This record gives sequence, structure tokens and C-alpha cells, in this order.
Amino acid sequence: KAGVTQTPRYLIKTRGQQVTLSCSPISGHRSVSWYQQTPGQGLQFLFEYFSETQRNKGNFPGRFSGRQFSNSRSEMNVSTLELGDSALYLCASSFEGAAYNSPLHFGNGTRLTVT
Amino acid sequence: DAKTTQPNSMESNEEEPVHLPCNHSTISGTDYIHWYRQLPSQGPEYVIHGLTSNVNNRMASLAIAEDRKSSTLILHRATLRDAAVYYCILRRTGNQFYFGTGTSLTVIP
Repeated sequence: KAGVTQTPRYLIKTRGQQVTLSCSPISGHRSVSWYQQTPGQGLQFLFEYFSETQRNKGNFPGRFSGRQFSNSRSEMNVSTLELGDSALYLCASSFEGAAYNSPLHFGNGTRLTVT
Repeated sequence: DAKTTQPNSMESNEEEPVHLPCNHSTISGTDYIHWYRQLPSQGPEYVIHGLTSNVNNRMASLAIAEDRKSSTLILHRATLRDAAVYYCILRRTGNQFYFGTGTSLTVIP
């Protein structure tokens, strides 16, 4: 089974621009969640999508948004980029039913650098 | 908010057991305790999870305190490949994720 795939692996953007990151979950997984990882703040939860609906959201500004398609693939968008948005963005998928105890399967992330 | 606390770093000799602690004093009854580890330039990898009882799998064991306010990840025989940052995570109904700061494990040959 193929793992979680994130594209692109690396991105360099300029302040004020927007960026879209892509995540393909493991086949059969309906839950996709996104995380921001920085040296200072560690791993922080952004949001989670399940069956094309945002099910949960972390404490990030509205510039961070996402969506999920009918094939469970997900995209994350960051508008009006700031220097502080430089981070590793991780996506994880899980086979999620009503319970919240399924393991998360992470991709290797997209490294975003904002200059 | 449910938070977890872990030591910043730990060292272990190769082929010896390692006990990685995690405190989660504000855990609620429905929070699952998950452990993941992360190698450089990779995403986190699932290790083990549990709710109330101790759990074992091929990678590790998870010991959960009776009051559930702490847990310990046990690697029975540390290898060099186990050197990583280990995260203790609470997964709550409503799917909020509360990450610990992670413990950087160094394995000494």
C-alpha cells in the first residue's frame, strides 16, 4: 500500500504570496489532518477533514484554509504569506470511524520557506 | 486544554531498555494516548497507542498509570535506529490533537 504523499517537498515563496500544498492519503483513509511544525512551536494541529467536511480546526488565522475532495485527497492553502509561516507542513491520514483511536499515518511534509 | 509534558532529551545505551515518560495530568476519560517518533527529514511514525490498559506491539510497550495522568513508552532493547524525537499525543473525541514537546532520544553505541 502506498503511503501518504505530499507535494511538493520544498517551496520557496515571497511574503504576500499564496501557496497551495497537496496531500494524497492512504487508499481507503477518509480522514486527513494537517500540521505545522516549527523549531519554536513544535507540532501544531491546523485542521482535519473527513468525507470532504472540515471536522476540526486548530488555532490558526483564517489565512490558513483547506479542503478535501471526493477521493479524499486534500489541499491546504495559505494566503498572504508571512515570514512566520516558514515551516514544515505535515499531512496525516487515518481510517477514521466514529472513534478517534486510529493511528495517524504521516507524509514526509512540505518544507515552505517564505522570504 | 489537555497538554502533555515530556523531558526534552534522554540518553540510552544500545541494547538496553529505555523508558520514556509523559505526563498528561488534564487527560479526560475519552482521550487516547498515542506515541509517535520522528526521524530527521521525515514525518512522524506511529509507535503505539492505548486508552486505559497497558499495550504491547512489535515496536514497544505502553504502560499507562492507573489514574491515567502519566504514561511510559518502553523500548525493550534500544538500537541505533531508535534514535529519534518521541512525541506523546492525546487524541480527544472531536479530534483535537495535543502534542507534547517531544523527547529527543540519543542511543549510545
